[in-house]
Amino acid sequence: GAGVSQSPSNKVTEKGKDVELRCDPISGHTALYWYRQRLGQGLEFLIYFQGNSAPDKSGLPSDRFSAERTGESVSTLTIQRTQQEDSAVYLCASSFQGALNEQFFGPGTRLTVL
Amino acid sequence: KNQVEQSPQSLIILEGKNCTLQCNYTVSPFSNLRWYKQDTGRGPVSLTIMTFSENTKSNGRYTATLDADTKQSSLHITASQLSDSASYICVVDLNNAGNMLTFGGGTRLMVKP
Repeated sequence: GAGVSQSPSNKVTEKGKDVELRCDPISGHTALYWYRQRLGQGLEFLIYFQGNSAPDKSGLPSDRFSAERTGESVSTLTIQRTQQEDSAVYLCASSFQGALNEQFFGPGTRLTVL
Repeated sequence: KNQVEQSPQSLIILEGKNCTLQCNYTVSPFSNLRWYKQDTGRGPVSLTIMTFSENTKSNGRYTATLDADTKQSSLHITASQLSDSASYICVVDLNNAGNMLTFGGGTRLMVKP
C-alpha cells in the first residue's frame, strides 16, 4: 500500500496481559516514530527509529514498554503486563530523514485494557 | 504544563463560513511549526509546515501564519466544508529530526450544514 499501516486496528485485552502492536511504514522511509494519544489529549512521543536503531527512547513511559524495528521496515511496540492507564490510541508515523522531515501517520491501534 | 496551547478547544461553524484557530507556544528556539488535520479515528495528516523564518504558508483553503516574536501561529480556513470537521493540531518541532515534536491538544472543529 501507499501509506503507513498498523495492526490490529483495535485491541481489547485484560489487565496484566502482554500486547504487540505492529507498524508497516511507507517503503523507503528511514525514520519511524511511535506516539500515544489518550482520549481527548495531544500526542505523546514514545520512541523513534533511524533505520533499525532507536537513538531516542526517552518517551517510553516505563520499562513495560519496548519496541524494535527490523529490516528498516516493520516495527513492533510491545507492552508487557498491561495496565488500565495504557488504554489509548497508539500511532505510528514514518518519514524520510531530511529537511523538514514530514511525518506520515498510520490510522492507529486503539488499545483498551479492561 | 503543555508548551503548545491551542484555542479554542472546540468550535462549531456553519458551512461556507471562515474560521481561525490559534496556537501559542513557549518552546523556543524551534526548527519548524506544523499544522495537522486529524479526522476521527484516523491518523493526523500534514497541512502545512513552516520554518521559523516563514510568516505564512497556504495549502488550498488552509492558510497558516507564524509570528515568531509573539510566539503565535494561526490556521485560517476559508469557505468551510463539511469535510473540514476534524481536530486541528499545532506541532512545534525543536530540531528537525522528528523526535522532538511538541503537540498541542488540538481544536475540534465541527462544520454544520
